[in-house]
Amino acid sequence: DVQMTQSPSSLSASEGDRVTITCRASQNISNYLNWYQQKSGKAPNLLIYAASSLQSGVPSRFSGSGSGTDFTLTINSLQSEDFATYYCQQTYSAPLTFGGGTKVDVK
Amino acid sequence: QVQLVQSGAEVKKPGASVKVSCKASGYSFRGNYMHWVRQAPGQGLEWVGRINPHSGGINYAQKFQGRVTMTRDTSISTAYMELSSLRSDDTAVYYCARLSTLEGRGVFDQWGQGSLVTVSS
Repeated sequence: DVQMTQSPSSLSASEGDRVTITCRASQNISNYLNWYQQKSGKAPNLLIYAASSLQSGVPSRFSGSGSGTDFTLTINSLQSEDFATYYCQQTYSAPLTFGGGTKVDVK
Repeated sequence: QVQLVQSGAEVKKPGASVKVSCKASGYSFRGNYMHWVRQAPGQGLEWVGRINPHSGGINYAQKFQGRVTMTRDTSISTAYMELSSLRSDDTAVYYCARLSTLEGRGVFDQWGQGSLVTVSS
């Protein structure tokens, strides 16, 4: 199984900050990497797919990069509605696996 | 619009079974794999398995093999996930999620609202 390791597991930030979350795969997954945002009590929501493509309707302050084993999600100018938990997911091979999550909260 | 509507919360005793439903609307049910993902309280997301609504073909995560059964009823555009021999650590929110393809890559672009399953004696 492909293991996905996210870091950090949590971070504190202020509105307007730039936030970077990393995700590492245990093997080469090309760009079969998605990012989701989950708010408390809600289902996850797709932000980024194919490592760097922005899902329709997602604000452009979100961006993704990487290929192979190392990936990054960046949020430029953090907004109040961005305080949430973020998960990476690989869809390179079954079982589809998620990272452990990164909780972004208010500093 | 595309919607996945799941059944309500359940409370079960250890050793019992639970069956969660996921009714799809707004798209062709047979056209997309349906996946199930669970989330224990305060924990991350865990893939349980998937079903091909067109063929009925299924794949389960090894961890759940022998305890999980996924089925579908195409006449009512509904997918089901049944988990048996429940234990306290099966307490979780269970989500169904539609798999779509964007730029040749699989994505979960639509999720159900989640069904809380609580296992307690």
